[in-house]
Amino acid sequence: EDQVTQSPEALRLQEGESSSLNCSYTVSGLRGLFWYRQDPGKGPEFLFTLYSAGEEKEKERLKATLTKKESFLHITAPKPEDSATYLCAVNIISEKLTFGTGTRLTIIP
Amino acid sequence: GAVVSQHPSWVICKSGTSVKIECRSLDFQATTMFWYRQFPKQSLMLMATSNEGSKATYEQGVEKDKFLINHASLTLSTLTVTSAHPEDSSFYICSARRLAYEQYFGPGTRLTVT
Repeated sequence: EDQVTQSPEALRLQEGESSSLNCSYTVSGLRGLFWYRQDPGKGPEFLFTLYSAGEEKEKERLKATLTKKESFLHITAPKPEDSATYLCAVNIISEKLTFGTGTRLTIIP
Repeated sequence: GAVVSQHPSWVICKSGTSVKIECRSLDFQATTMFWYRQFPKQSLMLMATSNEGSKATYEQGVEKDKFLINHASLTLSTLTVTSAHPEDSSFYICSARRLAYEQYFGPGTRLTVT
């Protein structure tokens, strides 16, 4: 059965303390892996698309990487405004996305 | 680029009435749009896939007669919740597909049925 699992469920970091969020998947025929950021009461904001193992994408303090089994979202020297829920999603069949349950990130000033 | 809007952002309606939510892609054309529902502290649940000019495809367990979807143009999809009941209260989010399999999401609509 295709699955997407995100860990940890919640993460609290001090401002400036770098860390990584994990998204592991057990799917056949991955066509794309997506990272989104969601603030409370808002729709998800697109961050990255990764298509093949070894691929990396960067945006400001965020860097996403992909292997054959998992993806990491690295956050370097985070600031309080980086606090949000980070969602990972995979595209397997048709155009649907299968979402993980998210990691709720809190950056403490 | 890739901006998606939703209207209204929040709505309160009485039980038994119908509510229409609009989803627009503002700076790109979207042949495919999606409607999701999200419960507090949970992830997004896909309700249906909407293709321009054709009938929507509903996920298992989603009542197509209750959640009417229309995708009349390449930039507009609508979701109508018919005969709404308190259990339909939720956060509804649409998305539009742009490149390959990338989906861009709207800001969401909070529906409260009293």
